[in-house]
Amino acid sequence: DAGVIQSPRHEVTEMGQEVTLRCKPISGHDYLFWYRQTMMRGLELLIYFNNNVPIDDSGMPEDRFSAKMPNASFSTLKIQPSEPRDSAVYFCASTGRDPRDANEQFFGPGTRLTVL
Amino acid sequence: DQQVKQNSPSLSVQEGRISILNCDYTNSMFDYFLWYKKYPAEGPTFLISISSIKDKNEDGRFTVFLNKSAKHLSLHIVPSQPGDSAVYFCAAKLRRGSTLGRLYFGRGTQLTVWP
Repeated sequence: DAGVIQSPRHEVTEMGQEVTLRCKPISGHDYLFWYRQTMMRGLELLIYFNNNVPIDDSGMPEDRFSAKMPNASFSTLKIQPSEPRDSAVYFCASTGRDPRDANEQFFGPGTRLTVL
Repeated sequence: DQQVKQNSPSLSVQEGRISILNCDYTNSMFDYFLWYKKYPAEGPTFLISISSIKDKNEDGRFTVFLNKSAKHLSLHIVPSQPGDSAVYFCAAKLRRGSTLGRLYFGRGTQLTVWP
């Protein structure tokens, strides 16, 4: 299995531009998570999906952030417009078990976003 | 506000010695705790976990201790090896309730094991 795939691995953009991060979960996993890692706050959950439906989006920082999962094998996290404070590493993770019972969430390699 | 806190951003240990990574939490409702390990340019990977009904869980060189009264857990690595050099994240969750199993992570501790 290829694991969780994220693209791009690095993104540099200018303030005000739209940014789209992409994720392909492990095949058969029906839970998908988006996290953001910063020095100040560590790893924060932004949103998670079950069977393509958003379950918990309480971590989405503001309306500039949106996430979609149009099918079981693809999800996007969009930031529009981007701001320098959005600079962080964004991780996607998936699991095939209910997160209440599962130990493991399988993380992708992350996308390092820099907003100038 | 951080519900899971790792107050030491870094730890340096000599190979063969014990590494002790600490974690504190504020939410007494957390009932399951996990440690993840992260190498540069990779995503975090699950390492070890412990339920709130236990006070110790061991897996090879890795042992996690839980002190519920102090809301504190620690990860012990014995003996430490250079390959253990990584960022270690502490995480906690509620298995039941409205948070539906979401993980709350700390900021991480960078462990460096030197020869």
